[in-house]
Amino acid sequence: EVQLVQSGAELKRPGESLKISCQGSGYNFTTYWLVWVRQMPGKGLEWMGIVYPGDSDARYSPFFQGQVTISVDRSINTAYLQWSSLRASDTAMYYCARLGGLASDASDIWGQGTMVIVSS
Amino acid sequence: DTVMTQSPDSLAVSLGERATISCRSSQNVLYHSNNKNYLAWYQQKPGQPPRLLIHWASTRVSGVPDRFSGSGSGTDFTLTISSLQPEDVAVYYCQQYYRTPYTFGQGTKLEIK
Repeated sequence: EVQLVQSGAELKRPGESLKISCQGSGYNFTTYWLVWVRQMPGKGLEWMGIVYPGDSDARYSPFFQGQVTISVDRSINTAYLQWSSLRASDTAMYYCARLGGLASDASDIWGQGTMVIVSS
Repeated sequence: DTVMTQSPDSLAVSLGERATISCRSSQNVLYHSNNKNYLAWYQQKPGQPPRLLIHWASTRVSGVPDRFSGSGSGTDFTLTISSLQPEDVAVYYCQQYYRTPYTFGQGTKLEIK
């Protein structure tokens, strides 16, 4: 079964760092782009950036450039989204998803989401 | 960035009736060399991740009921549910994947009247 499994919910303080993960299985992880999508409470979907596990090429939405870092560890089929200094406004559900599974860049497989709460 | 605008923001339709959601792109998403529209539709139910319903503007994903259909080209697109079922209550998003960032519409909340 093709799936993406994300790390568990996080409760952090403002200013703390965080790295959440997304592990793929059931397909060739290195040959499909992965995207990170933010969904703030009660709001819509925001495309943050993508990473190609084959060569770790990462590209960001201008809005999120410099705010987060997207990376990958091919040896364990895992992509990451990290913050160096969290803010309350980073409170959201974060999804990873696969691109290109249907020969298009639509996201055909989604992780279950990681809820990040940033509160003092 | 390409701005995707959906209408309406919310919609209430009776069971068995047709539901229509519109999506407009601020830039063309039709790639003329392959005549494909780089447009997808997703369904998101409460507490769940989004689910891909349609890509290439009109190609249904395997397992998606045929009451869901997509149409349109260039900058104007439509998602139609021909006969609304209770399990179709959800928020629907369009997304362009023509140019990064692959932006989403703001979402349309579909409810039963």
